[in-house]
Amino acid sequence: DIQMTQSPSSLSASVGDRVIITCRASQSISNYLNWYQQKPGKAPKLLIYAASSLQSGVPSRFSGSGSGTDFTLTISSLQPEDFATYYCQQSYSTPWTFGQGTKVEIK
Amino acid sequence: QVQLQESGPGLVKPSQTLSLTCTVSGGSISSGSYYWSWIRQPAGKGLEWIGRIYTSGSANYNPSLKSRVTISVDTSKNQFSLKLSSVTAADTAVYYCARVLTISLHFDSWGQGTLVTVSS
Repeated sequence: DIQMTQSPSSLSASVGDRVIITCRASQSISNYLNWYQQKPGKAPKLLIYAASSLQSGVPSRFSGSGSGTDFTLTISSLQPEDFATYYCQQSYSTPWTFGQGTKVEIK
Repeated sequence: QVQLQESGPGLVKPSQTLSLTCTVSGGSISSGSYYWSWIRQPAGKGLEWIGRIYTSGSANYNPSLKSRVTISVDTSKNQFSLKLSSVTAADTAVYYCARVLTISLHFDSWGQGTLVTVSS
């Protein structure tokens, strides 16, 4: 199985901050990397697919980059509604696997 | 816009079989553009992919669960289903169904999730 490791596991930030979350795969996954946002009691929501493509309807302050084994999710200016847990997920090979999550909390 | 809705018992006894159904509305499950998938999440923990099925009925499962999992599709009802046998407390989780775009293999639509508790 391909292991996905996110860092940090949690972070505290203020509204307006630039936030960067990283995700590392245990082997090369090309650009088969997706990012999701999950709020408490809700299903995950797709933000970024294929490493850098913004899902329709997702604010442009979210962006993704990377290929191979190292990827980043950037929130350019954190908004109150962005406090949530973020997961990366590889779809390069089955079993599809997720990172452990990064919880973004209010400072 | 497609919507997915999980249904099934919220309580299952140990050693029994967990059975859930996902009903798809606003789109056809027979579309060749998608896989249909199950994912679960124990309370306070991360996401685990269970498996996927294509409209043809061809399925792939997570090896960690493969011996206990069956995913099936009923195109006449626009539904797909999950069966997980010999459950234990470790199978207690919120179970999500989701749609996967075959071109880029991302989960683009999710059900709201349903909590299944394994307890006697």
